[in-house]
Amino acid sequence: KAGVTQTPRYLIKTRGQQVTLSCSPISGHRSVSWYQQTPGQGLQFLFEYFSETQRNKGNFPGRFSGRQFSNSRSEMNVSTLELGDSALYLCASADPGFAEAFFGQGTRLTVV
Amino acid sequence: DQQVKQNSPSLSVQEGRISILNCDYTNSMFDYFLWYKKYPAEGPTFLISISSIKDKNEDGRFTVFLNKSAKHLSLHIVPSQPGDSAVYFCAAAPPQGGSEKLVFGKGTKLTVNP
Repeated sequence: KAGVTQTPRYLIKTRGQQVTLSCSPISGHRSVSWYQQTPGQGLQFLFEYFSETQRNKGNFPGRFSGRQFSNSRSEMNVSTLELGDSALYLCASADPGFAEAFFGQGTRLTVV
Repeated sequence: DQQVKQNSPSLSVQEGRISILNCDYTNSMFDYFLWYKKYPAEGPTFLISISSIKDKNEDGRFTVFLNKSAKHLSLHIVPSQPGDSAVYFCAAAPPQGGSEKLVFGKGTKLTVNP
């Protein structure tokens, strides 16, 4: 099975711009979660989608949003980028009800 | 409030010796625990897990120990190899919790010196 695929791998954006990140889960996985990783903060949960519905949301401002398509692919959007949004954004997919999540390689976002 | 804590940000070990990574949790409802390993510029990869009905789980060089009364788990790597150098994340899930319920620690950076 192919793993979780995230595109793009690297991105440089300017403050105030918006960005969209993409995630293709493992075939058959319908749950997709997004995380932000910054130095010293570990993995912070952004949100989780299942069957095109957001089931869970972390403690992030409304500038962070996402969606899931009928084929389980997911996108994450960040509007009005701030310097502090620079981070590694990770997508993980899982079989519903299973705790083991499988991560993609991440998208490294740099906001300048 | 951090529900899953990895109090050592870093750990340095000699090749061939034992590496012990520790993790504490505060929520007694957690009943499933996982360890992930992460190399730079890559996503975390699942390493090993343990259910609260067990106190030990082994997989090759990796063993996870769970002490429910102390709300503490540890990952032992024996013998440590330079390729084990990575950041290790501890994660916990509540009952019936899927991956969307995972709570991660901040990670411990392990360096195994040749």
